[in-house]
Amino acid sequence: QKEVEQDPGPLSVPEGAIVSLNCTYSNSAFQYFMWYRQYSRKGPELLMYTYSSGNKEDGRFTAQVDKSSKYISLFIRDSQPSDSATYLCAMSDFTNAGKSTFGDGTTLTVKP
Amino acid sequence: NAGVTQTPKFRILKIGQSMTLQCTQDMNHNYMYWYRQDPGMGLKLIYYSVGAGITDKGEVPNGYNVSRSTTEDFPLRLELAAPSQTSVYFCASSYSIGTSGALFSYEQYFGPGTRLTVT
Repeated sequence: QKEVEQDPGPLSVPEGAIVSLNCTYSNSAFQYFMWYRQYSRKGPELLMYTYSSGNKEDGRFTAQVDKSSKYISLFIRDSQPSDSATYLCAMSDFTNAGKSTFGDGTTLTVKP
Repeated sequence: NAGVTQTPKFRILKIGQSMTLQCTQDMNHNYMYWYRQDPGMGLKLIYYSVGAGITDKGEVPNGYNVSRSTTEDFPLRLELAAPSQTSVYFCASSYSIGTSGALFSYEQYFGPGTRLTVT
């Protein structure tokens, strides 16, 4: 079983839709939870991070962590065609050279 | 700042050939990583380094070698290329925080990738 499982997708939604991207994990030592966005043929870029449990909002994006269920989500409100990308969740316990464990990614397409 | 740069952008290798993927960062980050990303898959860690002269294996190190002689550079060497090494390779860097270096930045900064095909 993988340490981090991400909903595989792909996901295709109309512009303006609310999008939910999800990951589950098995390592209870994970403390930092990140979402990276990767445009086609580019390297990943950090979109949001959350420390421990709770919610974090940044504009149209909300990251949610439920450590009791070992479940994290990224919500995108009023999705735009420019949000079309692959979203990777990543997690770390920061005890080992800052290494992160990544999910396999969910590819999102927002249609105008 | 150029950030993390990688060369080449694309490469086609024949089976059994060797090559070096170059990675340079100008952010004075002490931690550097090499990943491979296969189609529809996430990032698999090949090797990482916590500073000049110190490297360690990641999840999928077989068929690869690394060196870290300077803070800026972290080349990845492929010896005897095989079709299974066809992938996109990403280099990333990060830094430690805290006075003892025991804490690490949550963010990794990625290069643009090298697309490698082995035929």
